[in-house]
Amino acid sequence: DIQVTQSPASLSASVGDRVTITCRASQSISRYLSWYQHKPGRAPKVLIYATSTLQDGVPSRFGGSRSGTEYNFTITNLQPEDFATYYCQQSYSSPLTFGGGTKVEIK
Amino acid sequence: QVLLVESGGGVVQPGRSLRLSCAASGFVFSSYAMHWVRQAPGKGLEWLAVISPDGNNKDYADSVKGRFTISRDNSKSTLDLQMDSLRADDTAVYFCARGDIGGYCTNGRCYGVWVDNWGQGTLVTVSS
Repeated sequence: DIQVTQSPASLSASVGDRVTITCRASQSISRYLSWYQHKPGRAPKVLIYATSTLQDGVPSRFGGSRSGTEYNFTITNLQPEDFATYYCQQSYSSPLTFGGGTKVEIK
Repeated sequence: QVLLVESGGGVVQPGRSLRLSCAASGFVFSSYAMHWVRQAPGKGLEWLAVISPDGNNKDYADSVKGRFTISRDNSKSTLDLQMDSLRADDTAVYFCARGDIGGYCTNGRCYGVWVDNWGQGTLVTVSS
């Protein structure tokens, strides 16, 4: 089964900052990596799919990229509503797997 | 719009069974793979199971394989999760989720079915 390792587990940042989260897959998963935002008590929300494609309605300050089996998720100009936990997920093959999550907190 | 509404959560004793349901609307249910995902208290998201649009292919996380069964009724646009031999560490919020229509399932596995829509979740508490 494919494992996905996400880092860091948490980070503190200020409004206006740029933050980057990384996921590394245990084998090639091509473009099949998605990023989700999750706030307490709410349904998770997909932000990016297929490595770098923004879901409809997602602001352009969110972005994704890939280098080999390493995938990066970036938020530029961090906004107050962006403080949440973010997860990556590989969907190359089931069983699907999530990264462990990154909690983005206010500095 | 896509709407997924879970039901069936509650408090159950260890070793007992519980069946969750998800009512789908706003899309052609029979065209999409569907998933169950959970989040235990203080933990991250954990993918549990996927079922193909026609129900003929299913795959599970190792943590629930042999105890949980995913099923669907395309005539009613409903997705179910039968949970048997429940343990305390199954305590979690359970989410129903839709897989991307661009993926496919074959030979008991699904490919490219990233989650594009989520329900609000239903809480299952396993406790004596």
